[in-house]
Amino acid sequence: EAQVTQNPRYLITVTGKKLTVTCSQNMNHEYMSWYRQDPGLGLRQIYYSMNVEVTDKGDVPEGYKVSRKEKRNFPLILESPSPNQTSLYFCASSSTHRTDTQYFGPGTRLTVL
Amino acid sequence: DQQVKQNSPSLSVQEGRISILNCDYTNSMFDYFLWYKKYPAEGPTFLISISSIKDKNEDGRFTVFLNKSAKHLSLHIVPSQPGDSAVYFCAANSGGSNYKLTFGKGTLLTVNP
Repeated sequence: EAQVTQNPRYLITVTGKKLTVTCSQNMNHEYMSWYRQDPGLGLRQIYYSMNVEVTDKGDVPEGYKVSRKEKRNFPLILESPSPNQTSLYFCASSSTHRTDTQYFGPGTRLTVL
Repeated sequence: DQQVKQNSPSLSVQEGRISILNCDYTNSMFDYFLWYKKYPAEGPTFLISISSIKDKNEDGRFTVFLNKSAKHLSLHIVPSQPGDSAVYFCAANSGGSNYKLTFGKGTLLTVNP
């Protein structure tokens, strides 16, 4: 089954404690992206990657890092989480031939205390 | 500056009637528009799209209309079904080498039996 998986699905942590949210896709997609969803703000792009070792900032990259060492994986790293990073996070992937039709993971709800 | 606007946070419709969800955009470089549907506790899923060279695209009960001069698009669902109850996001892309999707804030559609 074609899918995008994220782990963990739910996470409660404290300010300053480094964390990583993993994202993996099994569709051999070149393009991967991270979004956050906040009430009243919709989906905002954090970072994206066009292919292995190619990453770029989205609209709200501050406080986040990403890496793309393998095609299937695109982890999101919060080196020093803060309460304003409490949000619902989605990973997405697509073929570079159809980046409009992105496939989304189920989401990770992060709470930073 | 919000480039994709969904001004109605919510919409309630009776089963069998038409649902019309609206979206406005400000960036004249956008040339591809999409609608995504999101159920609670799931990631968004692609619903329907339209290129700027068209003014209408139909897929079963779903039709998207694009008015480029007004920078406005709408999603029509006919007939509406209770299973259509979800948050609908409008998104836009400026094509070419720009793979970024810009999302609106979403509209919560409730279809009452």
